[in-house]
Amino acid sequence: GDSVTQMEGPVTLSEEAFLTINCTYTATGYPSLFWYVQYPGEGLQLLLKATKADDKGSNKGFEATYRKETTSFHLEKGSVQVSDSAVYFCALSVSPEGGNKLVFGAGTILRVKS
Amino acid sequence: GAVVSQHPSWVICKSGTSVKIECRSLDFQATTMFWYRQFPKQSLMLMATSNEGSKATYEQGVEKDKFLINHASLTLSTLTVTSAHPEDSSFYICSARDSGTQYFGPGTRLLVL
Repeated sequence: GDSVTQMEGPVTLSEEAFLTINCTYTATGYPSLFWYVQYPGEGLQLLLKATKADDKGSNKGFEATYRKETTSFHLEKGSVQVSDSAVYFCALSVSPEGGNKLVFGAGTILRVKS
Repeated sequence: GAVVSQHPSWVICKSGTSVKIECRSLDFQATTMFWYRQFPKQSLMLMATSNEGSKATYEQGVEKDKFLINHASLTLSTLTVTSAHPEDSSFYICSARDSGTQYFGPGTRLLVL
């Protein structure tokens, strides 16, 4: 079945450091790929998405590129801030907008120190 | 933006009792809601898809008689964990679909003693 694997955390960085959170997937079809973020005490929020190969999703300085050849969707940010501290989930769905079944990775905790 | 709430945020109960968790879409109507379960350091796993006015669709391996889902209105879905046992202790998260996108609630932590 479909699955998502992302790097274990926690990831601890200093402010303004470069961030990479790795995500790879296994799927039988051609899924859409998502990154969700969960801030303390809040629900998951969609951070960015990509619906086909070579698409780049971006939002709030975060980027991820849909790499079909490596089945990856790594999340990057050039300069993290303390406010980026949260849990990040990589996910896939056969639905372009993620409105149907989402398959999630285990989540990666990011801690940014000032 | 679309907001989804859950109540309660956490609950502790004795083994053998039933627990009801509510999921509400606050500023939109949702014909479809989803229930997920998350174990520590593991993925969110979809338990069931809840459709307003009809029976829920359960994922393989999820006991429908154990996890009762009711979606009686366009803004409310409930998950009842019946005869809860310690192995049911987990973090339960709901989401509601609006215009093709899922919006998530903050989750409910259940501890069964």
